Amino acid sequence: EAGVAQSPRYKIIEKRQSVAFWCNPISGHATLYWYQQILGQGPKLLIQFQNNGVVDDSQLPKDRFSAERLKGVDSTLKIQPAKLEDSAVYLCASSRTGSGSPLHFGNGTRLTVT
Amino acid sequence: AQSVTQLDSHVSVSEGTPVLLRCNYSSSYSPSLFWYVQHPNKGLQLLLKYTSAATLVKGINGFEAEFKKSETSFHLTKPSAHMSDAAEYFCVVSDREGFKTIFGAGTRLFVKA
Repeated sequence: EAGVAQSPRYKIIEKRQSVAFWCNPISGHATLYWYQQILGQGPKLLIQFQNNGVVDDSQLPKDRFSAERLKGVDSTLKIQPAKLEDSAVYLCASSRTGSGSPLHFGNGTRLTVT
Repeated sequence: AQSVTQLDSHVSVSEGTPVLLRCNYSSSYSPSLFWYVQHPNKGLQLLLKYTSAATLVKGINGFEAEFKKSETSFHLTKPSAHMSDAAEYFCVVSDREGFKTIFGAGTRLFVKA
C-alpha cells in the first residue's frame, strides 16, 4: 500500500509569515494525526481527526494554528503568523480505527522560521 | 490519564552487545503499547506492538519487548546490537480505541564499533 504522503519536504519562512502543510493519508485510514517534533524531543500531538471530525486538539495553539480534513481524506495544517519557536518537523500520521492500530507516519515537513 | 516515561535519554552500547531501552507507562485503561524507531532525517517506523495477546512481543530487526503489567513496563531489548541500530527510539501508549496516543521523550541509541 502507498504510504502517508506529505508536502513540502522542507520550508523556510520569516517570522510573521504564513505557511501550509499538506498530508494525504493511507487509503482507508479513518484517523489522521498532526504531530510537531522539535529537535531533540518526542512528537507532540497537535490535532487528531476521526474521518473529518476533530477528536483531540487540546494542544493546538489555536490563535495561530489551524487544520482541516476535507471530506475525511486529505488534510492541511496552517500556521499564521509563524513564530521562531514554530521551527520543527511537522509529522502527519494515519491509522485504522480500532484496538491496537499502529500509526503510519509520513516523512514530515521540516519548517525553519527565521 | 495516560503517560509514558522513557528512563534513559541516551544509551550507548558496543556492537555485538545486548541492548536495553527502558519504558514505563501509566494508563487508566488496558493500553496498547508500541515502539517506534526514527533514523536521522527519516520518518518514524513501527518496530513492534503489544495489544493484549502474548506478553513477549517480537518485532522487526531482532527487537523484542516484554509487557509486564505488575511493573507497568514495556522495555525494548535486542540480544546483539548492530551499527545500523543507532537511532532514536520512542515508546508509545495508546488507549484501546486509539483515541489517545502519547509518545515518550525518546531514547537515543549509540552503537560503538
